[in-house]
Amino acid sequence: QVQLQESGPGLVKPSETLSLTCAVSGYSISSGYYWGWIRQPPGKGLEWIGSIYHSGSTYYNPSLKSRVTISVDTSKNQFSLKLSSVTAADTAVYYCATHFGPGLKGAFDPWGQGTLVTVSS
Amino acid sequence: QSALTQPASVSGSPGQSITISCTGTSSDVGGYNYVSWYQQHPGKAPKLMIYDVSKRPSGVSNRFSGSKSGNTASLTISGLQAEDEADYYCCSYAGSSKVFGTGTKVTVL
Repeated sequence: QVQLQESGPGLVKPSETLSLTCAVSGYSISSGYYWGWIRQPPGKGLEWIGSIYHSGSTYYNPSLKSRVTISVDTSKNQFSLKLSSVTAADTAVYYCATHFGPGLKGAFDPWGQGTLVTVSS
Repeated sequence: QSALTQPASVSGSPGQSITISCTGTSSDVGGYNYVSWYQQHPGKAPKLMIYDVSKRPSGVSNRFSGSKSGNTASLTISGLQAEDEADYYCCSYAGSSKVFGTGTKVTVL
C-alpha cells in the first residue's frame, strides 16, 4: 500500500524559495508511476503544480512553470518541490500524490495528508 | 489553461440523487477520457471517487457514478447520505498537463 508524507518548512519569507519533500513508502519510485504536487490556498480550490516520472521527466502547470522545479531522488524514495520567488498568493496546503494509472493521464491516488505553507515576513 | 467550471453548490435531501457538472473544452474534458472526481471533507486530503470518466476505485460506494458528454463531465450521487456532504472536484488530463475544476459544495438538507 503506497503512502506519502510531505515535509518542509511551514513558514517561508516573501521572495524566497519554498522547498518541500514527499517521502514515499510501500512502493519503490523506481518501479514506475508519475508523482505529483497539488496545492490548495485556504478556502479555495485545488491547483495542479506539476508531476515527475522516476526517470526525471517533468510536466508543469504553465502558469507556474517559470518558478517550479520538481525532482526525484530514487535512492531516498522521495521527490521534491521547489517554488521560487514566493508571494502571499503561494500560501496554501501543499499535497503530494501518486498518478494512479497510465502516466500523466492517471488520476491522483493516493494523496499525502498535506502540509500548510505560509508565506509571510 | 483555465479551471474547469463546476457549480458552486448543489444540495439535496437524504435519499435523493444529485448531479454535479464539470465543463471544460475540447482540449481537456472533451478531448480525453481521463476525467476524475475527488471528495474532500473539511481539513482532509481529497479522496478519489471516480477515474477515467466512469470507473470506481475499490472501496468506493456504487452510489457514485460518472459520465461524460462532449465537453461536460458529470458526477451523480444517488441515495444521498449525510456523509456525502463535502466538497467535490473534477480533474481532467489536458495534454501534458492536468486541470482541476472550481469545486462544488454538496449540502445534504
